[in-house]
Amino acid sequence: EDQVTQSPEALRLQEGESSSLNCSYTVSGLRGLFWYRQDPGKGPEFLFTLYSAGEEKEKERLKATLTKKESFLHITAPKPEDSATYLCAVRILTGGGNKLTFGTGTQLKVEL
Amino acid sequence: DGGITQSPKYLFRKEGQNVTLSCEQNLNHDAMYWYRQDPGQGLRLIYYSQIVNDFQKGDIAEGYSVSREKKESFPLTVTSAQKNPTAFYLCASSPTQGHYSNQPQHFGDGTRLSIL
Repeated sequence: EDQVTQSPEALRLQEGESSSLNCSYTVSGLRGLFWYRQDPGKGPEFLFTLYSAGEEKEKERLKATLTKKESFLHITAPKPEDSATYLCAVRILTGGGNKLTFGTGTQLKVEL
Repeated sequence: DGGITQSPKYLFRKEGQNVTLSCEQNLNHDAMYWYRQDPGQGLRLIYYSQIVNDFQKGDIAEGYSVSREKKESFPLTVTSAQKNPTAFYLCASSPTQGHYSNQPQHFGDGTRLSIL
């Protein structure tokens, strides 16, 4: 069964304290890994897509990397406005088109 | 501005009642999706549609129904057969159709459904 596991479930950081979130997956036929940010009461906001091992993407204080078994979302010198739940999702090869399997998310809290 | 609009933001359902959640997009996307989000669980796919007048069941379709009469609209009906409907419902769309499209899905801001 295809699975996506995110860790930790929750993370508290001080402003400026860099860290990483993990997304591990056990799927066959990976066709893309997606990172989203979700604020309370809102829909997920797209951040990155990674397609192949070794690929990296950056946006402001966020950097996403991908290996054959997992992806990391590195947060450098976070600010309180980075507080949110971060979701990862994988797309696998099926006949059903663009279907995603989501992890349960990491809830990040950045404190002053 | 282009985007996905879900309404209402909050919805309450009585026992035995069907309710319909609205999802409209002006992104000209071919594919649309409905997900359910529960605390401590990942988003789970209810139904999806890759083209007008066609849709497929997702992983948890029982107790739900959809229609896709227009490209812009993909309403979800939560029927009385869905015994545990309390959840946050999210609609999404993506810009390409076809079996191997790999564009990201973009989401609306959700509808929170509760039981009275």
